[in-house]
Amino acid sequence: GAVVSQHPSWVICKSGTSVKIECRSLDFQATTMFWYRQFPKQSLMLMATSNEGSKATYEQGVEKDKFLINHASLTLSTLTVTSAHPEDSSFYICSANRDRLIRGTQYFGPGTRLLVL
Amino acid sequence: QKEVEQNSGPLSVPEGAIASLNCTYSDRGSQSFFWYRQYSGKSPELIMSIYSNGDKEDGRFTAQLNKASQYVSLLIRDSQPSDSATYLCAVPSEGGYSSASKIIFGSGTRLSIRP
Repeated sequence: GAVVSQHPSWVICKSGTSVKIECRSLDFQATTMFWYRQFPKQSLMLMATSNEGSKATYEQGVEKDKFLINHASLTLSTLTVTSAHPEDSSFYICSANRDRLIRGTQYFGPGTRLLVL
Repeated sequence: QKEVEQNSGPLSVPEGAIASLNCTYSDRGSQSFFWYRQYSGKSPELIMSIYSNGDKEDGRFTAQLNKASQYVSLLIRDSQPSDSATYLCAVPSEGGYSSASKIIFGSGTRLSIRP
């Protein structure tokens, strides 16, 4: 299957700092990537759709000024959690659709675990 | 609002038996269906996709699709302890014909294979 990577795999930061998470498609180009968040024992929650060369589309209730998304190339999307607080501690996962493969197949990165102290 | 429904479980199956996971979806126009496996603390992993009515087999996994009943299932034969995970049923939000299609996930069924 397609390979999607994320970096870092885990991060611990102090409250008030900003954290950047990278999502890369390693063997295919992706004009669209997706960012999810998952709290322990809960379902995946889609946060936003990242579009290469244009603004991200955020799901209802997700603060776009707090979760900054940049999709500057066909293989890289970044999520920046600005002024992180303990309640932002979660498992952040990205996914990507293969552009030439229709039918909406998404491949997930391994996730980034964020702990805000 | 398009929906994907799954029994949350937990579903407990003895080792070596067949595990049967079920999913229903609300959008009759859906064309693509996916099963993901998620181990605790890990991200989802695609294990099966199915687009046509009937069965699709891949190793110990069989996906079954019945569009008339809006029902998709996943069978795991010869269940192993390593199959213990949460299984997510997923359907693209726009029929899957756009690379920008979001995926609607079911809440997942937690499967436990007991030795």
